[in-house]
Amino acid sequence: QSVLTQPPSASGTPGQRVTISCSGSSSNIGSKTVSWYQQVPGTGPKLLIYTDNERPSGVPDRFSGSKSGTSASLVISGLQSEDEADYYCAAWDDSLNGWVFGGGTKLTVL
Amino acid sequence: QVQLQESGPRLVKPSQTLSLTCTVSGGSLSSIYYWSWIRQPAGKGLEWIGRIYTSGSTNYNPSLKSRVTISVDTSKNQFSLRLSSVTAADTAVYYCARVYVGGWYETFDNWGQGTLVTVSS
Repeated sequence: QSVLTQPPSASGTPGQRVTISCSGSSSNIGSKTVSWYQQVPGTGPKLLIYTDNERPSGVPDRFSGSKSGTSASLVISGLQSEDEADYYCAAWDDSLNGWVFGGGTKLTVL
Repeated sequence: QVQLQESGPRLVKPSQTLSLTCTVSGGSLSSIYYWSWIRQPAGKGLEWIGRIYTSGSTNYNPSLKSRVTISVDTSKNQFSLRLSSVTAADTAVYYCARVYVGGWYETFDNWGQGTLVTVSS
């Protein structure tokens, strides 16, 4: 049971817009910044979004993040086949005094 | 470009100690970062194990704290994980990762490729 809650799956067709949600609490998302990671099977996670909505250099602007209260969202616009992967949200938790992750969302490009 | 590489035994017997090392290349263990271990059981999500600063200060996941030790060797650009009294439930892909410490935020900005450790007799 993950501290941050994500839908287990999401899907879309090429060119569509997909949103993945991440729900937490006041001790994590509500008071700390959120990061998002993309994981292609068999590889280590890759940073997609940090400080809720910033993209590292090299990450396409099709990926965007937002946060409101104790929930965060990752939006992928103009979905492409190479976006098929698992996506995880993460935040520091002040109550647990440690990092917490979402359970991951498997994105399928139909 | 900094790279992180995990190394260590891939098979550990139950009740023994799992030991892994992460070697950091292309950069130093600077104080603007700290260093973490995360694991992922097959088909499951990510679980944070703990972190260490270059000063040696550590924090551990409360659920693993009694069994975990993370250490750092700045002269070798390495940090290590020891997990004692392992069981089959500790079988997972283990990742080392770098955490960038900004003025008001932190993020895992670089990850190793991961190494599968199996606990079995």
